[in-house]
Amino acid sequence: QVQLQESGPGQVKPSQTLSLTCTVSGGSISSGGYYWSWIRQHPGKGLEWIGYIYYRGSTYYNPSLRSLVIISVDTSKNQFSLNLSSVTAADTAVYYCARTLSSTSELYMDVWGKGTTVTVSS
Amino acid sequence: QSVLTQPPSASGSPGQRVTISCSGSRSNIGGNYVYWYQQLPGTAPKLLIYRNNQRPSGVPDRFSGSKSGTSASLAISGLRSEDEADYYCAAWDDSLSGYYVFGPGTKVTVL
Repeated sequence: QVQLQESGPGQVKPSQTLSLTCTVSGGSISSGGYYWSWIRQHPGKGLEWIGYIYYRGSTYYNPSLRSLVIISVDTSKNQFSLNLSSVTAADTAVYYCARTLSSTSELYMDVWGKGTTVTVSS
Repeated sequence: QSVLTQPPSASGSPGQRVTISCSGSRSNIGGNYVYWYQQLPGTAPKLLIYRNNQRPSGVPDRFSGSKSGTSASLAISGLRSEDEADYYCAAWDDSLSGYYVFGPGTKVTVL
């Protein structure tokens, strides 16, 4: 079965770029039919969808983060990545990657990684 | 804050039925499917209900979802101690060129 694992630095300095990678195992990103999302959860708070990517490279971002986010995919490594620029303390959160199904009027995440905690601090 | 509204908490005794509401608007719940996720303490969210009332394989039929107009609800019948978790509703919102939104979550406590 498909599994996802987030990786990346646990701490990032303010104004720098947060970079995370999600490695997919048990299935190929290139097989199609799924999108690949990033979601974050601020400490003690709810969930915020950041955006997703399709294996061919098309992306869609949450409008509230669009100017700061880039999601990319590396099909040769079966990975996709998140870059969040100009971070502040407000970007401190647990970041999850998730397999996503999307069509007209529908979007949901059916497989999630365990999450990785990122703290923004100098 | 979210455009979806959920009660912050709900509780029940083992065996009881608990219902969690999720209120939205025409741009989200009113025109799109509703999803529910369960987040057990210290773990990642798990898909519980999709397309308003469908259960993924492996989700007990104690969990059921419904939608009417701009509101949705999740019912847990035969409440068990392992159901103690945070529950989030979610939907696509057609405003602002579209985005996926989660509700603020409801903490279910088994008394």
